[in-house]
Formats: sequence, structure tokens, C-alpha cells
Amino acid sequence: DAKTTQPPSMDCAEGRAANLPCNHSTISGNEYVYWYRQIHSQGPQYIIHGLKNNETNEMASLIITEDRKSSTLILPHATLRDTAVYYCIVRLITGGGNKLTFGTGTQLKVEL
Amino acid sequence: NAGVMQNPRHLVRRRGQEARLRCSPMKGHSHVYWYRQLPEEGLKFMVYLQKENIIDESGMPKERFSAEFPKEGPSILRIQQVVRGDSAAYFCASSPPYVGPGSMNTEAFFGQGTRLTVV
Repeated sequence: DAKTTQPPSMDCAEGRAANLPCNHSTISGNEYVYWYRQIHSQGPQYIIHGLKNNETNEMASLIITEDRKSSTLILPHATLRDTAVYYCIVRLITGGGNKLTFGTGTQLKVEL
Repeated sequence: NAGVMQNPRHLVRRRGQEARLRCSPMKGHSHVYWYRQLPEEGLKFMVYLQKENIIDESGMPKERFSAEFPKEGPSILRIQQVVRGDSAAYFCASSPPYVGPGSMNTEAFFGQGTRLTVV
């Protein structure tokens, strides 16, 4: 699976959009970009994933650049409960299972 | 639809005892994964199992650790003769079977973890 690079920490004001970047310059053509978050030692929570098109669900939007070497997770209206460590993971979807390689992630702090 | 259930949530063991951690996957999920998170560190993959089979145990310590996912019942992560360095949060995740290219719902869902403390 391709390696990812994320900033170690970010701050965001409550109610504003939180834009979390991720670099994955060695991504291969059939690798997906996944985002998970971990709120204060709870189990990681799946957020969203995509291959090359932008994706949106009830939690967030995922914007993947045309060359697929980077992506941005957008939380449109961040709340205090969005304070968490956010992990960007790149992986293949195959019959080999759903093994995830977690990096150090981005600690997002949402403040009043 | 219940999520991934792990128990116990907290487990205290004395050095040298055995620890058994249980994980019941989500309904319809036949793949189970165990991860360990040491204090102030990231999540590390340990083992991937399907029913009655260990598929990938590349992250399991060579000694004292074992995992199983029997035909009936939960997956068990077993740690024999625990030491203080085994103190960590252990997370289980489950995912549905892969059915081919373009599979939907391929994401893994995590339980709330078991926090093991060795005293």
C-alpha cells in the first residue's frame, strides 16, 4: 500500500469548514484513498473513501486531485465533537482483505 | 444492526496470567482483524482471520500471542503469560467478504476496544 503524508496537527473554529490534506504521491492506479478518524481512544470510525472521483456522504467530502497524488477531506461545518485524529490510508481493494496501515494522522482540534 | 462488539472493555491482569479478548463481528461480516495501540502510539495491524482460517498474521508477536475465529462464536485474541509491555488498547474490526471488482461496502468497522492493563 502507498505511503501517505499528513500534517501532524490542525486547528479549526467551530462552524467553519475543516480541510485536512493528505499527500500520496506514490499511489498506484487501482489504489483507493480511505479516511478514518479516532476520537479520544475510541475505536477508529470510517468516514469516506474514493478512487478518483470526488465523493460526498453525510459526514464529509473527499476531493482527489486529477493526478491522484493528493486529496483533501472536508468537514463542512466542524463541531467540537469532530476533534479527533484523522487518518488518510491508501490501499487496494482485493480479495486479500481489509488490512489497514495507519500512519500518525492529523490531530484536528475544533475550538469555539 | 449491532456494530462490532468487543468484551471486556477493560481487563486487568497480573504479570504471568493469560488474557482473552473477544470480538463479535457485525452481522454478515466474515472477516476479522485485530489491531493494537500502545499508549501514545498509532494503531498497528496484528492479524487477519476468516472463519476457521488465519489469513495474515504478519503483525503478531512470535511468542505468547494467538488468535482464532471459530466456525461458531466470537474471534478470540489470546495473550499468554502477559507482561507489562502488553498493556495497550486492542481493537477488533470486521468487514464483509470481497465479491469482486467494484465491490461496495468494503470498509472495515471497528469495535470500541479492550483496554488491557498488566500490573
